[in-house]
Amino acid sequence: EAGVAQSPRYKIIEKRQSVAFWCNPISGHATLYWYQQILGQGPKLLIQFQNNGVVDDSQLPKDRFSAERLKGVDSTLKIQPAKLEDSAVYLCASSYTQGADYGYTFGSGTRLTVV
Amino acid sequence: RKEVEQDPGPFNVPEGATVAFNCTYSNSASQSFFWYRQDCRKEPKLLMSVYSSGNEDGRFTAQLNRASQYISLLIRDSKLSDSATYLCVVKGDYKLSFGAGTTVTVRA
Repeated sequence: EAGVAQSPRYKIIEKRQSVAFWCNPISGHATLYWYQQILGQGPKLLIQFQNNGVVDDSQLPKDRFSAERLKGVDSTLKIQPAKLEDSAVYLCASSYTQGADYGYTFGSGTRLTVV
Repeated sequence: RKEVEQDPGPFNVPEGATVAFNCTYSNSASQSFFWYRQDCRKEPKLLMSVYSSGNEDGRFTAQLNRASQYISLLIRDSKLSDSATYLCVVKGDYKLSFGAGTTVTVRA
């Protein structure tokens, strides 16, 4: 079974620029998550999709972050404009069910550095 | 109060030693519990689920105490390859909440 694919692996941008990340979940996984992991902290949920609908985006800074999953498969997360504090690893994960009763599988992440 | 709190460590132990650490969670309605392992600059990977009766997976033993709202992980006969950050994970209604992790370093 192919894992969760993410790209790019690394990105360096200047503050106030925009950036986009892409995620392709495991085939057949209806639930997709975007997490932000700042150095020294645990992953923090930004947004959760069930198919192409948003289940939870309560911790997504909506003034600068946006995400979509138009066809219920792959997803993009965008930051515009970026701030220094957005430097983090952005992890995408997927699970077969919304309940995530068996945990879920993460992609290798995109490491973002904002300078 | 954070949803999941862990002792960050680090726990520095020699090969062959036993190391144990806990985490506490704030939501008494939490339904499922997990330990994830995260190697340096890698993504978190599921290590094991934690069941109410306690469970083992090889050298790893997980315990859950719902009354006190804490979860523990014990590693027996530590190997160099066990060096990692261990993330305590708690499932609420439909999402997983992660602790900041406990760092374990096993030395030769």
